[in-house]
Amino acid sequence: ETGVTQTPRHLVMGMTNKKSLKCEQHLGHNAMYWYKQSAKKPLELMFVYNFKEQTENNSVPSRFSPECPNSSHLFLHLHTLQPEDSALYLCASSQVGSAYEQYFGPGTRLTVT
Amino acid sequence: DAKTTQPPSMDCAEGRAANLPCNHSTISGNEYVYWYRQIHSQGPQYIIHGLKNNETNEMASLIITEDRKSSTLILPHATLRDTAVYYCIVRPNQAGTALIFGKGTTLSVSS
Repeated sequence: ETGVTQTPRHLVMGMTNKKSLKCEQHLGHNAMYWYKQSAKKPLELMFVYNFKEQTENNSVPSRFSPECPNSSHLFLHLHTLQPEDSALYLCASSQVGSAYEQYFGPGTRLTVT
Repeated sequence: DAKTTQPPSMDCAEGRAANLPCNHSTISGNEYVYWYRQIHSQGPQYIIHGLKNNETNEMASLIITEDRKSSTLILPHATLRDTAVYYCIVRPNQAGTALIFGKGTTLSVSS
């Protein structure tokens, strides 16, 4: 238990669906991150939020839309995804001053059919 | 960005020390060495980090060479639960940037 929770843990969606992934951290951190991990590939950074402001978008397609309403919650809204978007989506948090001591959630395993 | 080189895989017997090497010959003076691991189907877990001095915590020890061009993560008494992919990451400790993961070393601990 890292203090970072993600829901749902598993999600199957069609290409025309709209769904959202949720991340919540109970560590009092002020930076949150979304990562994508495809099969047999390294983790890829998607988005970074510092103090609820997006500070990094790693050339992510617009079918992925992040939202950070407060420092404890992070969402990833999904629409019109492609089968190649099937992956493990990981959320992490840290203190802004300790950007590399990140705590990860268990991930959401997404399958796009 | 400084790049790291790690062996793709290593084996270790249970109870023995696991020594995982990492080369980072282009490391800059303000860059730290971070180690994470990822157990199958779980999120990565922070292990330890250091700048130039050796570091130890309850999980592992980090030995950084004097020229800082390489480091070794040591798990003093490996257990089966230490089987995971271990990532060595070199980054400056500044706000607003994030971890860049490579392919790491897959450590297999066997009884």
